[in-house]
Amino acid sequence: QVQLVQSGAEVKKPGASVKVSCKLSGSTFNESPIHWLRQAPGKGPEWMGGFDPDRGETIYAQKFQVSVTMTEDASTNTAYMELQGLRSEDTAIYYCASNDLWSGYFTYWGQGSLVIVSS
Amino acid sequence: IVMTQSPVTLSVSPGERVILSCRASRSVSDNLAWYQQKPGQAPRMLIFGASTRAAGIPVRFSGRGSGTEFTLTISSVQSEDFAIYYCQQYNNWPSLTFGGGTKVDIK
Repeated sequence: QVQLVQSGAEVKKPGASVKVSCKLSGSTFNESPIHWLRQAPGKGPEWMGGFDPDRGETIYAQKFQVSVTMTEDASTNTAYMELQGLRSEDTAIYYCASNDLWSGYFTYWGQGSLVIVSS
Repeated sequence: IVMTQSPVTLSVSPGERVILSCRASRSVSDNLAWYQQKPGQAPRMLIFGASTRAAGIPVRFSGRGSGTEFTLTISSVQSEDFAIYYCQQYNNWPSLTFGGGTKVDIK
């Protein structure tokens, strides 16, 4: 059974960076490529990027191409999402999500990591 | 591709039939998924391919549509169905977009 367990809540100052982790169990990154989404208060989910097995690379949403870095550590089955240059608008719940063999939708979700950006 | 959901809020009584709408700004074929989200929880996928129920999803949930117009129907709303529902297109990879959601609450 695929499970995604994320790191805890963070409070950051504007301009700082945050790194959220997502531990995958019950599968591998090849079988269940990891994607990252975020959800601001009262809004729908927003896709940030994720691994495309067909291209063999991580694809970022245009909005996040400069500020976000997604990495994976196969030795620990843990994925990471780092967001730099935080602003108050980045306050949101950040989710990792996946599916069996990349299909464009998300069957498996982490529990979410709340990131608050406040001075 | 912009996904627009309507209505924003739907107030219903248990046992009623509910139809939620999702419109795409251009055709997404049948590459559309529906999710349910309850407070404090991650979204849960209900439907993919516009009409295929995910594993373990009750048969009272059904999806229809293709191109730009889609619906999610709950044939008889149960107490556990009161939640926010989102549609998501995945036709325009590598761009994935969600709708703004429809909240189904108790009348």
